[in-house]
Amino acid sequence: DTGVSQNPRHKITKRGQNVTFRCDPISEHNRLYWYRQTLGQGPEFLTYFQNEAQLEKSRLLSDRFSAERPKGSFSTLEIQRTEQGDSAMYLCASSFRREGYTDTQYFGPGTRLTVL
Amino acid sequence: AQSVAQPEDQVNVAEGNPLTVKCTYSVSGNPYLFWYVQYPNRGLQFLLKYITGDNLVKGSYGFEAEFNKSQTSFHLKKPSALVSDSALYFCAVRDIRSGNTGKLIFGQGTTLQVKP
Repeated sequence: DTGVSQNPRHKITKRGQNVTFRCDPISEHNRLYWYRQTLGQGPEFLTYFQNEAQLEKSRLLSDRFSAERPKGSFSTLEIQRTEQGDSAMYLCASSFRREGYTDTQYFGPGTRLTVL
Repeated sequence: AQSVAQPEDQVNVAEGNPLTVKCTYSVSGNPYLFWYVQYPNRGLQFLLKYITGDNLVKGSYGFEAEFNKSQTSFHLKKPSALVSDSALYFCAVRDIRSGNTGKLIFGQGTTLQVKP
């Protein structure tokens, strides 16, 4: 399968614990996005990377959240001291951006986080 | 502010009948519009996009969408619905306020139910 992959698919944790999610984008895609989707809502943008550089972060991304994309390949999203309000589906998407074209984002299956 | 609205939480249609899932947008400047579909326990799948050109855009699985600038709409259509089309559909607009990030603003989604 050459699509976007995310691990784990499901994560249940207790309030106050730290969690880390991984996203592997489509090979050679230079952009990687993280979104959060809560029940009954559309995905909301969290942050994105152009290669290894994190270029924008939403104000939804509190200081408990951190994302990295070392070497411009896979990305990790870490949530420290989880809260029940962090329970959501975390979606990763990747795209290939080139000058003069509007890129299309391709999404992974998501990681569903439940904070007890 | 840039936004999309999907006025219907759910659309019901009989198999074999035409379907329409509505989307209206509010943007400053030219809109870049997308449709995605989400099946249970799966990520968002790209269906089609409008950037410029013909107002009727053809996409995957027999879907098409009609861009109407005067009505600021981008409705998703299919001539003959299948039971397997039952899913959650999202309209999205590219947020151009922050340059070339490419981040998407999603509607709240419309559940399509196709009955045999």
